[in-house]
Amino acid sequence: AAGVIQSPRHLIKEKRETATLKCYPIPRHDTVYWYQQGPGQDPQFLISFYEKMQSDKGSIPDRFSAQQFSDYHSELNMSSLELGDSALYFCASSFYGGEQFFGPGTRLTVL
Amino acid sequence: GQSLEQPSEVTAVEGAIVQINCTYQTSGFYGLSWYQQHDGGAPTFLSYNALDGLEETGRFSSFLSRSDSYGYLLLQELQMKDSASYFCAVIDGSNYQLIWGAGTKLIIKP
Repeated sequence: AAGVIQSPRHLIKEKRETATLKCYPIPRHDTVYWYQQGPGQDPQFLISFYEKMQSDKGSIPDRFSAQQFSDYHSELNMSSLELGDSALYFCASSFYGGEQFFGPGTRLTVL
Repeated sequence: GQSLEQPSEVTAVEGAIVQINCTYQTSGFYGLSWYQQHDGGAPTFLSYNALDGLEETGRFSSFLSRSDSYGYLLLQELQMKDSASYFCAVIDGSNYQLIWGAGTKLIIKP
């Protein structure tokens, strides 16, 4: 069965650089979620989209933005990267508020 | 506010049974989910309880008592591959957002 796809799987950036993470949800899923997970922490909700419209916002810094495109894929844009942004970034998708299926994550390292 | 509490770490022996408890305080409760996450991996959905009672899926079972704001995940016939972190998460009925517990690290010894 198709799963959530995220790219890239690993990303290394310097401080103050910009990064773009991509997520391709499971086909026919109408909701996409972005999470940030630091070492030893639970996933922190960043933002979600329902049918390409932003539906909810969590602890997403103003330096970050996200959008969902007409083909339902989503991108998380991160600017002015800081050392503290180093984390695993997960995308998840669901159908009509049902169980969330997570992608493999993108490991971002900021040097 | 909304919060979930679960033990930070549980240790068990291979072949044994272990129960991971979760208590929650939320508004607009919609359901309790459990996720498994191996180190460096993605959270994997295990179970979901919207109604009181026990849901069984193979070696894993999940229980919910809405009146007690309490649930648990029961793992039977533990295998070494079950060593992972287990998160309980409550679905906020107002926005379908998952509110996560801090996770329980399950350590399994031979």
